[in-house]
Amino acid sequence: LAKTTQPISMDSYEGQEVNITCSHNNIATNDYITWYQQFPSQGPRFIIQGYKTKVTNEVASLFIPADRKSSTLSLPRVSLSDTAVYYCLVGVAALIFGKGTTLSVSS
Amino acid sequence: DADVTQTPRNRITKTGKRIMLECSQTKGHDRMYWYRQDPGLGLRLIYYSFDVKDINKGEISDGYSVSRQAQAKFSLSLESAIPNQTALYFCATSDFPPGTSGSEEQFFGPGTRLTVL
Repeated sequence: LAKTTQPISMDSYEGQEVNITCSHNNIATNDYITWYQQFPSQGPRFIIQGYKTKVTNEVASLFIPADRKSSTLSLPRVSLSDTAVYYCLVGVAALIFGKGTTLSVSS
Repeated sequence: DADVTQTPRNRITKTGKRIMLECSQTKGHDRMYWYRQDPGLGLRLIYYSFDVKDINKGEISDGYSVSRQAQAKFSLSLESAIPNQTALYFCATSDFPPGTSGSEEQFFGPGTRLTVL
């Protein structure tokens, strides 16, 4: 299973763009990159998934360089409600969540 | 009604007691998972099951056992609870039909907060 490394915490202000980078140097050819969001006392929920280049949905964008050894989750114009833990998972069966990145958004 | 339900939602028990946490899903998914969450440690996989006849250990299976009674039900047991099993436990489900590309999306239940005194 590919190991991922992401920052433990990040701080931002409302209205700013937030980029969370995840390193996965030993990603396998068939692995996908999946991001989840978790609010306190709730289960994680799926945000976005990608294999290469760029993926965008109504919540976020995911940027994956050609070597796929890292990925960046981009949250445009964050609000207080984006305060949560964000997890980067890698694999065909993405089961290992790790500690995630705690994002704190202030006004 | 919620697609993934967990019972009980909260439980306080004593050291040495046997505890069962139950998970039910109405999503029709074959795959089910049990995770525990501790402050500062993220989510850790305990056991997972890809179908009714399949049971696999996760990252931290010691002290736990599971039973997959049916496609819709996956139970987690603590045979003899100890205080360091105090945590928030999540059940999740996913589906990965043949021919699907990518990685499956997991759907989580509301969690069970277990306290072992």
